[in-house]
Amino acid sequence: EAQVTQNPRYLITVTGKKLTVTCSQNMNHEYMSWYRQDPGLGLRQIYYSMNVEVTDKGDVPEGYKVSRKEKRNFPLILESPSPNQTSLYFCASSPSTSGVSYEQYFGPGTRLTVT
Amino acid sequence: QKEVEQNSGPLSVPEGAIASLNCTYSDRGSQSFFWYRQYSGKSPELIMSIYSNGDKEDGRFTAQLNKASQYVSLLIRDSQPSDSATYLCAVMDDKVIFGPGTSLSVIP
Repeated sequence: EAQVTQNPRYLITVTGKKLTVTCSQNMNHEYMSWYRQDPGLGLRQIYYSMNVEVTDKGDVPEGYKVSRKEKRNFPLILESPSPNQTSLYFCASSPSTSGVSYEQYFGPGTRLTVT
Repeated sequence: QKEVEQNSGPLSVPEGAIASLNCTYSDRGSQSFFWYRQYSGKSPELIMSIYSNGDKEDGRFTAQLNKASQYVSLLIRDSQPSDSATYLCAVMDDKVIFGPGTSLSVIP
């Protein structure tokens, strides 16, 4: 089954404790992206990757890191989480190539709480 | 700063009516436009994509794009209670900008 998977689905952590949210897709998509969704602020892009070893900042990259060492995986790293990073996080992938953008497929979401 | 705007709603329509959702965007050079549906607590799912001016129909859904007016719309015909959700307009080049979403309620 074609899908985007995220783990964990729910996470409660404390301020400053490094964490990684994994994202994997089995559709051989080139484009992958991370979003956060907050009430009243909508979906905002954190980072995106056009292909392996190519990553770029979205609108809200502060406090996050990403890497794209393999085409299928795009982990989101919070080196020192803070309470303002409490949010619902979505990973998405798309068959887009440079200059042509196609629809994205979203993972199920990760609900993160930082206390 | 690129922006995408939508009527925040909530929009209420009776079952069987046409629901009309609107979206405007600020970047005149944008080329790819999408409508997603999101149920509460769930991930967004694609409804329609549109890349050229005009109408695109898929079942009960019609997307309309007017690049000169920087305007994208989604029409839902014969609205059903199961269409009750938040509808997100997205504009994608390399980055993706989502609108704030319009909450639709279809009343039986």
